[in-house]
Amino acid sequence: QVQLVQSGAEVKKPGASVKVSCKASGYTFTSYHMHWVRQAPGQGLEWMGVINPSGGSTNYAQKFQGRVTMTRDTSTTKVYMELSSLKFDDTAVYYCARDRKVVPADHFGAMDVWGQGTTVTVSS
Amino acid sequence: DIQMTQSPSTLSASVGDRVTITCRASQSMSNWLAWYQHKPGKAPKLLIFKASSLESGVPSRFSGSGSGTEFTLTISSLLPDDFATYYCQQYHTSPWTFGQGTKVEIK
Repeated sequence: QVQLVQSGAEVKKPGASVKVSCKASGYTFTSYHMHWVRQAPGQGLEWMGVINPSGGSTNYAQKFQGRVTMTRDTSTTKVYMELSSLKFDDTAVYYCARDRKVVPADHFGAMDVWGQGTTVTVSS
Repeated sequence: DIQMTQSPSTLSASVGDRVTITCRASQSMSNWLAWYQHKPGKAPKLLIFKASSLESGVPSRFSGSGSGTEFTLTISSLLPDDFATYYCQQYHTSPWTFGQGTKVEIK
């Protein structure tokens, strides 16, 4: 079955970087974009960016430009989200989520399959 | 950025009630709108895409409508499993943006 399995919880100090992985299975990895969404404690959902696993192109939210890097490894069917210069308010649950439209598509789609979430805690 | 505003923020309802949640966009976005259900400790679940299309496997008591700037999610008859937080999300223009969420609580 289609599944996204994320890496485990992380605790980082302010200023450090964190790299979260998301392993896809049960479908053709390069056929669907992958988004990253986060939820800080007590807050709503926040879109961070999207990667095309086929060519590796990315589109980041302006808020995270310069701090976030999304990459993929087609040999292991994993996508990665690295966030640098961590601040206390980066403490959140980070999700990967598959776009439901097959690449190439005339328009992006909604997010139909989600990973289980990775808790990142920024603490001194 | 397109701002998404949901109302109400919290909704108290009973099992069997008909529930409607509204989502308004700061600019027209055709029908590129999704609705998600989110429970604590779980991943969000896609319910509706393209404003009114029911995702496979989602019960038919969930329905969506609207286009342009105003959208609604309706649950025709609440079940105990439906108590959760619901988010709308636009995917018309990057950055994709979510509403602030509507928490559906037990009355």
